[in-house]
Amino acid sequence: DVKVTQSSRYLVKRTGEKVFLECVQDMDHENMFWYRQDPGLGLRLIYFSYDVKMKEKGDIPEGYSVSREKKERFSLILESASTNQTSMYLCASSLDRALTQPNTEAFFGQGTRLTVV
Amino acid sequence: AQKITQTQPGMFVQEKEAVTLDCTYDTSDPSYGLFWYKQPSSGEMIFLIYQGSYDQQNATEGRYSLNFQKARKSANLVISASQLGDSAMYFCAMREGPSGGATNKLIFGTGTLLAVQP
Repeated sequence: DVKVTQSSRYLVKRTGEKVFLECVQDMDHENMFWYRQDPGLGLRLIYFSYDVKMKEKGDIPEGYSVSREKKERFSLILESASTNQTSMYLCASSLDRALTQPNTEAFFGQGTRLTVV
Repeated sequence: AQKITQTQPGMFVQEKEAVTLDCTYDTSDPSYGLFWYKQPSSGEMIFLIYQGSYDQQNATEGRYSLNFQKARKSANLVISASQLGDSAMYFCAMREGPSGGATNKLIFGTGTLLAVQP
């Protein structure tokens, strides 16, 4: 089974802290994604990565950065946490086979509920 | 820029009836893929069904089918014979193809909360 694991299920941090959210996948997927999920707003893409050290901004990258030093690990960094970053964060991964396997779906982690106080 | 729109924040359906969840999309890329995911109250994201932009037939997976109308840019999910366990949030998602600038970028709509009533 494909497994995407997020390091924490629940996290509480103080305003101004630097926060690291870690995500690891065990299926050698090229693509990895970070989303935040808020009621009424669905899943919004923060950043994604299609290879080691490669990243692209999603729709809401402000206040976040990412790191992908190894293929299996994709980290989301909140440089200085703020209360408006309180949210559910979801990590996902997928194969990069758009030509040969276009129906390759993304697999998700269990989510990290981050509260910034 | 690609965009996914789900206009139904919530819906009710009677058990054993069929229900259609709406999804429209916007992209200038001729090659793209459309996905539906289910998120029950437990929070996990469950892949349901996929439709490719070049697929000639509508996708089906068990009780799930996708009503794909390419000219209208819509990809509605049809759930037949609803069950109580179908109560969940449903998300439509789109990935642009290799000819797009951001290959494999996957974006989601705002979701539809479905409640199946006994």
